[in-house]
Amino acid sequence: AQKITQTQPGMFVQEKEAVTLDCTYDTSDPSYGLFWYKQPSSGEMIFLIYQGSYDQQNATEGRYSLNFQKARKSANLVISASQLGDSAMYFCAMREVPGGGADGLTFGKGTHLIIQP
Amino acid sequence: DTEVTQTPKHLVMGMTNKKSLKCEQHMGHRAMYWYKQKAKKPPELMFVYSYEKLSINESVPSRFSPECPNSSLLNLHLHALQPEDSALYLCASSRPTSGGEGEQFFGPGTRLTVL
Repeated sequence: AQKITQTQPGMFVQEKEAVTLDCTYDTSDPSYGLFWYKQPSSGEMIFLIYQGSYDQQNATEGRYSLNFQKARKSANLVISASQLGDSAMYFCAMREVPGGGADGLTFGKGTHLIIQP
Repeated sequence: DTEVTQTPKHLVMGMTNKKSLKCEQHMGHRAMYWYKQKAKKPPELMFVYSYEKLSINESVPSRFSPECPNSSLLNLHLHALQPEDSALYLCASSRPTSGGEGEQFFGPGTRLTVL
């Protein structure tokens, strides 16, 4: 079973509009982290925002906010006032740390976002 | 310095060659990672090093051999690769934590082509 599900393979959005990218996750660990990364065509993975499983408030970073609904196991990314430079692949990822220490990220399949002028 | 560097940017090798990928960070992170990303797919975890010791090997074939000579440097030694190993290889680093926090900072990747 997939641990991270992104149901939107591609999205077209008009410039300056807000956009929501969907992400649902599956874990039985009480402690986990949720991340969003942006990957332009150049290939580099750019960290956008983080939400911890125990965080009471939704995370925000500039134009990015994370709509965290723990009971629904949902962690949607909201980009306000989209810009042409936001066109890229967006990955939702999760880190489970049942034993603590370092652990890798599990990524969803990604959403290819294209901002149209 | 919030940068992870990777060399080379591009690598073309034959199936009998031996080559190495290099990754470096100077953020004081004590966890480092190798991921493999095929075209139009998400990154997949290969190895995790924590405090210079290999802590996770995701059943990666032995033709990939990781090495962490010190806390700033991570290598991936390649030998007898197959054409299906062609991919973007991403290195990342983070501070090890007890919870889920700790974003991973990624390098620009090495695009590997195996002929």
